[in-house]
Order: sequence, then C-alpha cells, then structure tokens
Amino acid sequence: GNSVTQMEGPVTLSEEAFLTINCTYTATGYPSLFWYVQYPGEGLQLLLKATKADDKGSNKGFEATYRKETTSFHLEKGSVQVSDSAVYFCALSDGPSNFGNEKLTFGTGTRLTIIP
Amino acid sequence: DADVTQTPRNRITKTGKRIMLECSQTKGHDRMYWYRQDPGLGLRLIYYSFDVKDINKGEISDGYSVSRQAQAKFSLSLESAIPNQTALYFCATSDPGLAGEDEQFFGPGTRLTVL
Repeated sequence: GNSVTQMEGPVTLSEEAFLTINCTYTATGYPSLFWYVQYPGEGLQLLLKATKADDKGSNKGFEATYRKETTSFHLEKGSVQVSDSAVYFCALSDGPSNFGNEKLTFGTGTRLTIIP
Repeated sequence: DADVTQTPRNRITKTGKRIMLECSQTKGHDRMYWYRQDPGLGLRLIYYSFDVKDINKGEISDGYSVSRQAQAKFSLSLESAIPNQTALYFCATSDPGLAGEDEQFFGPGTRLTVL
C-alpha cells in the first residue's frame, strides 16, 4: 500500500536559518504530493502541492520538488520566521490530482519550532 | 465564518458512553472525510463519503460509524467509547469538480478524551 515517511521531529531552528524537512513516499501509479501545515490549535491547511514528476510547489517562501527518481518531496525554506512554528505533514493522494485527492495518506508530522 | 465547523471542540466522556461528533460545511463540497490524529501516527482516515448516499470505510473504521444527513453534514459516532479512542478528530471536505479545489479543507478539530 501507499506510505509516507517524513523526518522525525521535533526540529528547533533559529530565526533566519535554512529549513529542510525530508519526505519520501511509496506508491503505485502516479500520486499527487502535498505538504500541509497545522498551526497551534487549528486544523490542517494546504501549504503546497505538486501533481507530477519535476513539478515544484511553492507558497509563503516554502518550496518542494516532486522527485520521482528518488521518490521524495522534501520541504525547504531559505529563511524561517517565528511564525513558521507549526507541525508539517507530508501527504500523497491515491489517484491523479484531477480526480481529487479523495484519500490522503499522511506522514507522521514534523513539529517545527523557530526561536528568535 | 469558518467554512468547515466541528462541534463540540472538546469533549470528555467515560468508557461505554455513546458520543457523536458533528461536522458542517458551507463550501458546497460533495466529499467529506473523518480522520483521527494521534501523536507520532499522523492522520488516519476513519470514514469518507463522496455524496449523500455514499459511505466508505477508511483505514481504521472499527468502533466508529457515520451518517451523511445532507450534503453539508457528516457525523461521526462512537457507539461505546473506549480509552484508546482518545484523540484529535478532524473533518475535511473536497470537491474535485470545482475548478482548482482538489485539495482537502479541514475543520478545526475535536479533542475527545475517553476516561
């Protein structure tokens, strides 16, 4: 079956540091890949997505590239801020994105804390 | 107002009690989902529904049931709650038929504690 493995946390960085959160996946076919973010006390919200190999998703200074050859979708940001403190989830869909990501498989989440 | 709402936001109950968690959405989406979140396990799918007449089991449906009363409402029930159902529960919606909206939109969550 499908699975997502992401970097164990927690991760603590200083403000303006470079961030990488690793994510690798196992899936049949051609899944779409997502990063969701969960701020304290809130539900998950989509941060970025990529629907095919070599696509780069980006939002709020975060980026991730869909690498089919390494089955990876690592999240990066060049200069983190205190407001980026949250839990980040990597996820994949079990069907093409244009049919809707009707079933998402999530990684276990990585808690990120940014200190001033 | 939030597009996906969940009630209650917090609930403490005792073993053996029947509990219902409710989800409502104003996004007009056909598809709705229930997940539970446990520390170190991420989110796991309990049930999902693609329209009012459709109910499907997810990864961990044992001990749960659902009802899709209308397009906008999807309820999760624990017929006889047990302590290992203590978790954070999320409702989500999606509608791939709407342009650009193939992502899932999550409610704020319900924190359930079973003593």
